[in-house]
Amino acid sequence: SQQGEEDPQALSIQEGENATMNCSYKTSINNLQWYRQNSGRGLVHLILIRSNEREKHSGRLRVTLDTSKKSSSLLITASRAADTASYFCATDGGRKDTGRRALTFGSGTRLQVQP
Amino acid sequence: EAQVTQNPRYLITVTGKKLTVTCSQNMNHEYMSWYRQDPGLGLRQIYYSMNVEVTDKGDVPEGYKVSRKEKRNFPLILESPSPNQTSLYFCASSRGQGLTEAFFGQGTRLTVV
Repeated sequence: SQQGEEDPQALSIQEGENATMNCSYKTSINNLQWYRQNSGRGLVHLILIRSNEREKHSGRLRVTLDTSKKSSSLLITASRAADTASYFCATDGGRKDTGRRALTFGSGTRLQVQP
Repeated sequence: EAQVTQNPRYLITVTGKKLTVTCSQNMNHEYMSWYRQDPGLGLRQIYYSMNVEVTDKGDVPEGYKVSRKEKRNFPLILESPSPNQTSLYFCASSRGQGLTEAFFGQGTRLTVV
């Protein structure tokens, strides 16, 4: 089963507006990351927030993390047409049953920014 | 330039014909992994490697093999591909066991007919 689940599945906004995407997860984590994927291409890392952090900024990106609610949000301010892409959260929580550490991805939010 | 290189980018093959998708990284990363991406299912880990000669199964390993003879290379092998392995495949690498930023290849779109 997937660890991270993004919400909404799809989002369409006008250029200049803010876009907010949410991610919920199920188990404890070491960190949570957000990635961007342009259609059919490789994922690109955007930002990492550690479990002891509550908020992080990078340019027009703002990520929050609420470990009590097991949720995170990604805010893109003043969106541009070039921000059109799919956005994924990925959790690094480790697996107690296998000892394996791995990034577990959700199914993503498709963002469409209309010019 | 730091990068993960996958080949081929596109591949159409027939059921049962063995194939290999190559993956190479130039960042001296210890950790490498393979994912498949299917609509509505996100990315699922197939296999991963913590270092040379150390590999282990991910969430969906059936029908796949990997090897890690050199630090930079992590090929994915489909011994007898089947149509349900039609998917978009990504190789990724990152530093060490404490996972930090993962670098992804550009993907291999595989179709098995």
